Amino acid sequence: DQQVKQNSPSLSVQEGRISILNCDYTNSMFDYFLWYKKYPAEGPTFLISISSIKDKNEDGRFTVFLNKSAKHLSLHIVPSQPGDSAVYFCAANSPQAGANSKLTFGKGITLSVRP
Amino acid sequence: GAGVSQTPSNKVTEKGKYVELRCDPISGHTALYWYRQSLGQGPEFLIYFQGTGAADDSGLPNDRFFAVRPEGSVSTLKIQRTERGDSAVYLCASSLIPGSPLHFGNGTRLTVT
Repeated sequence: DQQVKQNSPSLSVQEGRISILNCDYTNSMFDYFLWYKKYPAEGPTFLISISSIKDKNEDGRFTVFLNKSAKHLSLHIVPSQPGDSAVYFCAANSPQAGANSKLTFGKGITLSVRP
Repeated sequence: GAGVSQTPSNKVTEKGKYVELRCDPISGHTALYWYRQSLGQGPEFLIYFQGTGAADDSGLPNDRFFAVRPEGSVSTLKIQRTERGDSAVYLCASSLIPGSPLHFGNGTRLTVT
């Protein structure tokens, strides 16, 4: 049972345009959400997070939006750059697990930014 | 500074053998985590250490898997009687304190033939 779902396995975007990566979750106990970025042969790197008390968090070119009623979050990257090409994982945590201690990850989305 | 270091980067073993995977966390990080990433999947939680003790080992798939962190720094993930289904990338991560973002190593790719 996949509690964090990234239904689109890949996304291709032109350089300079916006990339929108989507994530859905089923566990209503999740209250903290993170995005990780992964290059080949490297470990995931933390990108941005959002607590369920917020609906938006922004860091430079990266913005995460959370819609609790829809159990949906999205990562916006604008403008997209070729160096953003990577696999992006959505992850979630619940209070019972302890913040960050037991993350549930989606399967990832492969983003390709075309020059 | 140095990141999380995992050795070996690749390990090929025969079915039924015993393997040990090592993780050196970032110096000063008290929390250490092991995750496993199978092909086409996201990382799956295995075990979490706070200091020397396993605070949560609910993700270990069965009793063939065991992990230790005897001095609160380096951790070893041990797999007995390996099976082909154990083939995956084993990721280690550490964080300064529980609740702060995880810093992942590059992983150990385990292949059981």
